Amino acid sequence: GESVGLHLPTLSVQEGDNSIINCAYSNSASDYFIWYKQESGKGPQFIIDIRSNMDKRQGQRVTVLLNKTVKHLSLQIAATQPGDSAVYFCADRYSGAGSYQLTFGKGTKLSVIP
Amino acid sequence: KAGVTQTPRYLIKTRGQQVTLSCSPISGHRSVSWYQQTPGQGLQFLFEYFSETQRNKGNFPGRFSGRQFSNSRSEMNVSTLELGDSALYLCASSRPRTGKNTGELFFGEGSRLTVL
Repeated sequence: GESVGLHLPTLSVQEGDNSIINCAYSNSASDYFIWYKQESGKGPQFIIDIRSNMDKRQGQRVTVLLNKTVKHLSLQIAATQPGDSAVYFCADRYSGAGSYQLTFGKGTKLSVIP
Repeated sequence: KAGVTQTPRYLIKTRGQQVTLSCSPISGHRSVSWYQQTPGQGLQFLFEYFSETQRNKGNFPGRFSGRQFSNSRSEMNVSTLELGDSALYLCASSRPRTGKNTGELFFGEGSRLTVL
């Protein structure tokens, strides 16, 4: 089956620096992509999403970039804070299947050094 | 607005037993999905329900089943538990994908099942 993978399992950044978390997806038919943040003992929390007709979308301190040519997704976090420490998951979906099913990557653990 | 509520939050079972997990979606959400999360396999899709009908099913054995009620609440059941079923079971709900709504999933805190 199709899968979404992550390049880096762990990422340590200094507080105040920018963080970049990368993700590769394999399903060329996927048209919707989403990032989740999961803190210890909690469920995944929605961060930002992007449709395939866009290549960039910005939120509050976060930006998602989509490169469909190389099937690559990235999450940029500006001015990283200790509260950003968590595991981040990317996921993709093919909307044409009529399902909301997401295919998740393994996750990247972000550690922010105070 | 209340989020997705899952019960119980923690439970311990022994091999061979069965377990039922419950999920109450966000008010107004009619789609409910279940995912299994383990350290080794990550988040894996179990099944998805919409209007009391299973719309999609992941690659799990028949021991895993679910259902959705008319009020959109959902339950999942695992029979003849195995050690490998120890995991965090996550429920997510979603609004219909219409217009600008992309149908993002909103997750609950999960039910952590330990099988001894």
